[in-house]
Amino acid sequence: QVQLQESGPGLVKPSETLSLTCAVSGYSISSGYYWGWIRQPPGKGLEWIGSIYHSGSTYYNPSLKSRVTISVDTSKNQFSLKLSSVTAADTAVYYCARGRGSYPLIGAFDIWGQGTMVTVSS
Amino acid sequence: DIQMTQSPSTLSASVGDRVTITCRASQSISSWLAWYQQKPGKAPKLLIYKASSLESGVPSRFSGSGSGTEFTLTISSLQPDDFATYYCQQYNSPVVFGQGTKVEIK
Repeated sequence: QVQLQESGPGLVKPSETLSLTCAVSGYSISSGYYWGWIRQPPGKGLEWIGSIYHSGSTYYNPSLKSRVTISVDTSKNQFSLKLSSVTAADTAVYYCARGRGSYPLIGAFDIWGQGTMVTVSS
Repeated sequence: DIQMTQSPSTLSASVGDRVTITCRASQSISSWLAWYQQKPGKAPKLLIYKASSLESGVPSRFSGSGSGTEFTLTISSLQPDDFATYYCQQYNSPVVFGQGTKVEIK
């Protein structure tokens, strides 16, 4: 059974960098698929942040691209998100998810982590 | 960038009702569309992929249709467990979610 689990600080100060990790169990990231991040501000809808292909190719939301870095560590079977220069508008529940597509399509997100709340505040 | 517009934003319905949610893309996305159900405090759950393919384990009362720019999610007979928020997602270029449709009890 494939499972994803987010981890990272729940509170980040404005202008700092938000860093989250998603640990994958039950499936080897290097075997395939896309691995991505989606966020949801309180009371609002879903926003795709970006995804990384198992080979390391990255795809980012154009509105966030200048601040986002997604990387993968196949030795630990996990992938990570860094979002720089955060503001209160980045306060959200952050989900990691598997995109079940094949190149070049990311596909539908079939497996999700439980989500982690990140608050940006001083 | 492709924009996804769902309608309605909120839908009031009763148990047993047939419910239809529409999702429109600002340009053709072929059949590269998924539908999700989300309940409060939970991660979204994949219902439909490739516009009309039912995800394994999802009840057959859920169905999807459409291609190009117009898509629909239909619940044939609304059940108590179906009151939730539904999102469409295009994955043609590269990923965009609709704004969501809340299905509430009438």
